[in-house]
Amino acid sequence: GAVVSQHPSWVICKSGTSVKIECRSLDFQATTMFWYRQFPKQSLMLMATSNEGSKATYEQGVEKDKFLINHASLTLSTLTVTSAHPEDSSFYICSARLTGTHTEAFFGQGTRLTVV
Amino acid sequence: GQNIDQPTEMTATEGAIVQINCTYQTSGFNGLFWYQQHAGEAPTFLSYNVLDGLEEKGRFSSFLSRSKGYSYLLLKELQMKDSASYLCAVMDSNYQLIWGAGTKLIIKP
Repeated sequence: GAVVSQHPSWVICKSGTSVKIECRSLDFQATTMFWYRQFPKQSLMLMATSNEGSKATYEQGVEKDKFLINHASLTLSTLTVTSAHPEDSSFYICSARLTGTHTEAFFGQGTRLTVV
Repeated sequence: GQNIDQPTEMTATEGAIVQINCTYQTSGFNGLFWYQQHAGEAPTFLSYNVLDGLEEKGRFSSFLSRSKGYSYLLLKELQMKDSASYLCAVMDSNYQLIWGAGTKLIIKP
């Protein structure tokens, strides 16, 4: 299947700093990528839909000024957690679907963010 | 509203068979997915059903009844490595995935 690479796998940062997470589709072009957050023992929560060349669409309750999403190319989307706080500590996962189809979503490895 | 229901946790014995159910109410339907997620890892794709019936893939099978808004994932010859969470997700009319909370499957020797 298609490969989605997410980097870094884990990161520890100080409260108040910003963290950037990258999501790359390695062998296909992804017009749309999705960013999820997952707290322990809970299911995936969609944060935003990232569209190449345009602004991301954020889910209700997700602060767009705090979670900056850039989808500059068909193979790269980035999520920047700005002014991180301990409550932002979570597992962040990106996914992508093949352009023009509505088949399975391919997931990145996920990023474990810990804010201290 | 849109809703996906699946049991929170199930326990089964190594070598046995287990069925994980999923019921859904969504705005439109463009397919149902099952994913496996081990603790601390991202989900991995298991199956996709868009037509009624049973899809078999090795030890795993997935069934769909669109009229009943119902699906199940059947795992045969359970192995310890099958201990994971199993997520049911439905693609709605806007081609967005609606996720269930997941079923934690515990396999005992």
